[in-house]
Amino acid sequence: NAGVTQTPKFRVLKTGQSMTLLCAQDMNHEYMYWYRQDPGMGLRLIHYSVGEGTTAKGEVPDGYNVSRLKKQNFLLGLESAAPSQTSVYFCASVASGYNEQFFGPGTRLTVL
Amino acid sequence: AQTVTQSQPEMSVQEAETVTLSCTYDTSESDYYLFWYKQPPSRQMILVIRQEAYKQQNATENRFSVNFQKAAKSFSLKISDSQLGDAAMYFCAYRSFFMGSARQLTFGSGTQLTVLP
Repeated sequence: NAGVTQTPKFRVLKTGQSMTLLCAQDMNHEYMYWYRQDPGMGLRLIHYSVGEGTTAKGEVPDGYNVSRLKKQNFLLGLESAAPSQTSVYFCASVASGYNEQFFGPGTRLTVL
Repeated sequence: AQTVTQSQPEMSVQEAETVTLSCTYDTSESDYYLFWYKQPPSRQMILVIRQEAYKQQNATENRFSVNFQKAAKSFSLKISDSQLGDAAMYFCAYRSFFMGSARQLTFGSGTQLTVLP
């Protein structure tokens, strides 16, 4: 049981490049989330999904897109990376009826 | 919208002593959950303790306990007998109890705790 995994763990992009972050969970959780963590600001919600095939915007969605084609996977895409998207990205999931969100190890993204 | 405020960006405590981290929140809801998460240098987010707003009794997990003051919208974390391994960033977080919600967490800005040997 791997829990929540994120790929990659580190990435450096140039401004304007695109990339996709993959989040996978093997706990059959319905809800999945993408957060970003910036110094002095805690974690902020980017997008979330309440089930396979559904996605919704969070607090800071601009510049990101997401997809959840399979229940176990939640993808976060950056179509045209900007330096303001330099951050640590966390994926999390939770089962329906439970309280504890399980977090992945994070992805450190640097946009030059 | 709910907000969570941690007014202490940094705290330090001597090993074996007790420290209290502060958290206040703002909400119009009557039922909700509050959490404290620990983030060590490894970056992994670890749940420390959870409090249901409908419970009057303060939650306790070994050396960790909370002081939940619903009327004051305050949720502080007390760490007793501090250990070097407690050094980390601590985040306070809020989650709506509303069944139709997306169950996302709203986080405070964090408190960096240093444990001095």
